[in-house]
Amino acid sequence: AQSVTQLDSQVPVFEEAPVELRCNYSSSVSVYLFWYVQYPNQGLQLLLKYLSGSTLVESINGFEAEFNKSQTSFHLRKPSVHISDTAEYFCAVGARGNTPLVFGKGTRLSVIA
Amino acid sequence: GAVVSQHPSWVICKSGTSVKIECRSLDFQATTMFWYRQFPKQSLMLMATSNEGSKATYEQGVEKDKFLINHASLTLSTLTVTSAHPEDSSFYICSAPRHSGETQYFGPGTRLLVL
Repeated sequence: AQSVTQLDSQVPVFEEAPVELRCNYSSSVSVYLFWYVQYPNQGLQLLLKYLSGSTLVESINGFEAEFNKSQTSFHLRKPSVHISDTAEYFCAVGARGNTPLVFGKGTRLSVIA
Repeated sequence: GAVVSQHPSWVICKSGTSVKIECRSLDFQATTMFWYRQFPKQSLMLMATSNEGSKATYEQGVEKDKFLINHASLTLSTLTVTSAHPEDSSFYICSAPRHSGETQYFGPGTRLLVL
């Protein structure tokens, strides 16, 4: 079984400041790791994912996450946030194969002008 | 690209009625689909795994007689909330994995409000 811990439930940050949203996971098997973003009253949008290979993965809108196997972490970072980044961010883990994802409790990122 | 759709996107119903939610994979076949539930300001919790041609498997604490799942074809899974009550009000999201789980396609969700 897998589990995901998102250490921060809420992260307020000023516009153009850097941000890190933390995610730790546990699993007894190899997993895929995902970050999803959810805007108010909307569904999930995939931000980025780690499958294998390079431990640093990037999204098209400036977010990046680094898979750290020894620390079982997959923290999400952005060097300069925008107001439009205000949303709920979910870290998720899935075992390889057609298995469901296990989600963290989410981190609400609030970008302040 | 591959898309998963859900219908309806919104439903408001009276307590005691049944509500059916459809989840469709639009350009690929999905032998497995997952149903999640998200209460306000909470995370997604897996309810059940829908398997084409066989019975669904339910997570602990999810009543199988209340949340009926039918996966009648390779592109359609339905979730029926029977005798809905206000505590069933939630956001229901389906997903379909592809490429051995490397990709998980999520539907846009169905918001259910039971009055």
